[in-house]
Amino acid sequence: IAGITQAPTSQILAAGRRMTLRCTQDMRHNAMYWYRQDLGLGLRLIHYSNTAGTTGKGEVPDGYSVSRANTDDFPLTLASAVPSQTSVYFCASSESGTSFEGGTDTQYFGPGTRLTVL
Amino acid sequence: GQNIDQPTEMTATEGAIVQINCTYQTSGFNGLFWYQQHAGEAPTFLSYNVLDGLEEKGRFSSFLSRSKGYSYLLLKELQMKDSASYLCAVRDSNYQLIWGAGTKLIIKP
Repeated sequence: IAGITQAPTSQILAAGRRMTLRCTQDMRHNAMYWYRQDLGLGLRLIHYSNTAGTTGKGEVPDGYSVSRANTDDFPLTLASAVPSQTSVYFCASSESGTSFEGGTDTQYFGPGTRLTVL
Repeated sequence: GQNIDQPTEMTATEGAIVQINCTYQTSGFNGLFWYQQHAGEAPTFLSYNVLDGLEEKGRFSSFLSRSKGYSYLLLKELQMKDSASYLCAVRDSNYQLIWGAGTKLIIKP
């Protein structure tokens, strides 16, 4: 079934530990995104990638890093987790990311990772 | 700064109609999206508006007025399964989505 998968589904992590959240899509979308969702706030963009080999910073990039070695995978790494990074993390993808030539360039979301940092 | 405003919570009755409003102030405008998000699940795409007017899709319709920075999502013939959060998002001049905090819709029998 085409779509986006994320792993793990949930994780409890000690502060200071390193953690990588995985995201894989099989829709051959060029653009991928990482968001965090916190209660009472809208989705906030952490990092994005418009094509394999390129990445960009979103609204809240501090403490996070990403890589895009190929079209399908877009891992998010927390180098040294802190309690304020407790959140639900969503990965998303879209066909283009840089422009929409008559299309909506809709973003499609993975099921999310619930991360708790203690 | 950029801002998307929508009501925090709304309640409606099964079978009725509800309108969820969204106002926005963003740097540039390249389309407005509505997503539905059930508790504990991912957001799913509902509708997209880039020109002024009404877009209808079954029981759901979405309206846009770019001059007023305003959109609404209209849900007709409400069903219990429509209980969810509804997220408004605007694509800005950098082609990034700016998201509202979402409106939690509670449907009562």
